[in-house]
Amino acid sequence: GAVVSQHPSWVICKSGTSVKIECRSLDFQATTMFWYRQFPKQSLMLMATSNEGSKATYEQGVEKDKFLINHASLTLSTLTVTSAHPEDSSFYICSARDSNRRPSTDTQYFGPGTRLTVL
Amino acid sequence: GDSVTQMEGPVTLSEEAFLTINCTYTATGYPSLFWYVQYPGEGLQLLLKATKADDKGSNKGFEATYRKETTSFHLEKGSVQVSDSAVYFCALTPRSVQGAQKLVFGQGTRLTINP
Repeated sequence: GAVVSQHPSWVICKSGTSVKIECRSLDFQATTMFWYRQFPKQSLMLMATSNEGSKATYEQGVEKDKFLINHASLTLSTLTVTSAHPEDSSFYICSARDSNRRPSTDTQYFGPGTRLTVL
Repeated sequence: GDSVTQMEGPVTLSEEAFLTINCTYTATGYPSLFWYVQYPGEGLQLLLKATKADDKGSNKGFEATYRKETTSFHLEKGSVQVSDSAVYFCALTPRSVQGAQKLVFGQGTRLTINP
């Protein structure tokens, strides 16, 4: 149980295009999902917290208009990298909290990640 | 701000060796502490956790003790196996109301176990 999937697993795009990454909780409902970015040989950096039915909360320094997050259902959050540039190339990872577990605050279930390469 | 520092990798050991991966943290108050593991091609999985001082988290032969006095949460295993090869991340969740949901990660330590 508690499986999170991401699609696509990898994507290559041209500079200036937009890329959408999906994060799905397959066997549980998630009112809260998280988007992380991981640079090579570095830690995961939280980009934003995605809340179902409301606006995402972005971390300091993360451009809201650059990284659009939509959490329209209890099992799906999307991250759109708009007008991508080579510096956006990275590994993007999502996680989700199971809304029906009590207490639910601590455990996050992670997706396998999406490798984005912008040429 | 809150931060986590792990020992740098990569770490290479022989099967049945003793493993220690050091982790220290900086945080306001008393955070919850975690070790996550990422096997090749898979997402991060929670390995163990501890929510208060002196708690010991354990799972799959791995252990870590929450040491408030040294602000540490070192990961140990007495006898590693080839299947333990993975990247290990130490992490914390701040205690502040606003930060209760956030995970702050260390940089990860790649572990390779040779047969």
